Amino acid sequence: AQKVTQAQTEISVVEKEDVTLDCVYETRDTTYYLFWYKQPPSGELVFLIRRNSFDEQNEISGRYSWNFQKSTSSFNFTITASQVVDSAVYFCALSKSSGSARQLTFGSGTQLTVLP
Amino acid sequence: DTGVSQDPRHKITKRGQNVTFRCDPISEHNRLYWYRQTLGQGPEFLTYFQNEAQLEKSRLLSDRFSAERPKGSFSTLEIQRTEQGDSAMYLCASSPYYATNEKLFFGSGTQLSVL
Repeated sequence: AQKVTQAQTEISVVEKEDVTLDCVYETRDTTYYLFWYKQPPSGELVFLIRRNSFDEQNEISGRYSWNFQKSTSSFNFTITASQVVDSAVYFCALSKSSGSARQLTFGSGTQLTVLP
Repeated sequence: DTGVSQDPRHKITKRGQNVTFRCDPISEHNRLYWYRQTLGQGPEFLTYFQNEAQLEKSRLLSDRFSAERPKGSFSTLEIQRTEQGDSAMYLCASSPYYATNEKLFFGSGTQLSVL
């Protein structure tokens, strides 16, 4: 069975601080995909990134960066110089490689609040 | 590209009543998914369509739940004899046929409250 754990239920930071959201996953598959989604108050989940299990390179996109460590089964997400608009619930998710992203297993999410 | 549309946004019903939700995916997307999200939790997979064929169903989808996607366009999710435990946000998502393990495009969801 697959499992995603986001131990941080809520995080609150002041604008311009850096913040890291943790994600730990469990799977017996050797090939899998990891995702981060953002859910603002409007409710619509927005895709942020996909990473496959063979690609352990860290990725940076603007103020966002992701640290994938297969050895510790972690896929952490860092926001640099946070802004109020980053306030949302962030979900880490895992899917199997055989097939499509149709069965994503989500973590319980981390509510990030960025204070002005 | 108008995005994934869900209707209604909110539904309040009494226990035992039937409810139906509608999802209109992005027009060129042939894959459609239903997820359920309860307060403080991540979305949980319910079912998946490729065109009009329902290819996967979660064990969460009891026999009171039925989903259809006639003609491979919009989809409906019906819950019969609703229970208070059915109260949740029901999310629809879509993706194009060529996207394997690609990102899903989600709608804003239908919030169901069963009194």
